[in-house]
Amino acid sequence: GAGVSQTPSNKVTEKGKYVELRCDPISGHTALYWYRQSLGQGPEFLIYFQGTGAADDSGLPNDRFFAVRPEGSVSTLKIQRTERGDSAVYLCASSLMVAGLHTGELFFGEGSRLTVL
Amino acid sequence: DQQVKQNSPSLSVQEGRISILNCDYTNSMFDYFLWYKKYPAEGPTFLISISSIKDKNEDGRFTVFLNKSAKHLSLHIVPSQPGDSAVYFCAASNFAGGTSYGKLTFGQGTILTVHP
Repeated sequence: GAGVSQTPSNKVTEKGKYVELRCDPISGHTALYWYRQSLGQGPEFLIYFQGTGAADDSGLPNDRFFAVRPEGSVSTLKIQRTERGDSAVYLCASSLMVAGLHTGELFFGEGSRLTVL
Repeated sequence: DQQVKQNSPSLSVQEGRISILNCDYTNSMFDYFLWYKKYPAEGPTFLISISSIKDKNEDGRFTVFLNKSAKHLSLHIVPSQPGDSAVYFCAASNFAGGTSYGKLTFGQGTILTVHP
């Protein structure tokens, strides 16, 4: 489809394991975001990419979390030594820039639900 | 520190009536506000937005009102339809006229149920 695609849709892992979550943004969208949504809360910003570089990673909770976007399209969120508190829905979004300006609307994927046992 | 608050966890409305969802914010640097709608097992989808230079924006059945002095915005849905039943999130950004990026601060969400 033409929307933001995230895989896997569900991931169950054990405490201490390593996890990768993938996001394929809408074609042509140079801006990519990762958000995390815990139960009963709104999405919380994690990291923003403009092209290949992480322009703002201020929302990453600690150094167990890392994200890459090597070719400026697909992005991978990596979580090391997972903890039960990492359980949440991880949402990826992308947005369009027109004439160098952001249009303001984020297009979200369906999310990857991570459960850490 | 919850910078964007939706104090009503849920709202129940009869079909055909008006739904009013409320949102308060504390950060005076926010200059762009959005409402997103979320169905179960789907990602949030953009509904409507408003810049801080306006006090009202309308799109079909959806109208957003912004009261900057009160740091309050509301979403009105008229008439409400059963298909509008979803979680509604208010979000805010320091958008700076499009030169900044879309880092959004979300509220906790309000579950809207529209009864036939």
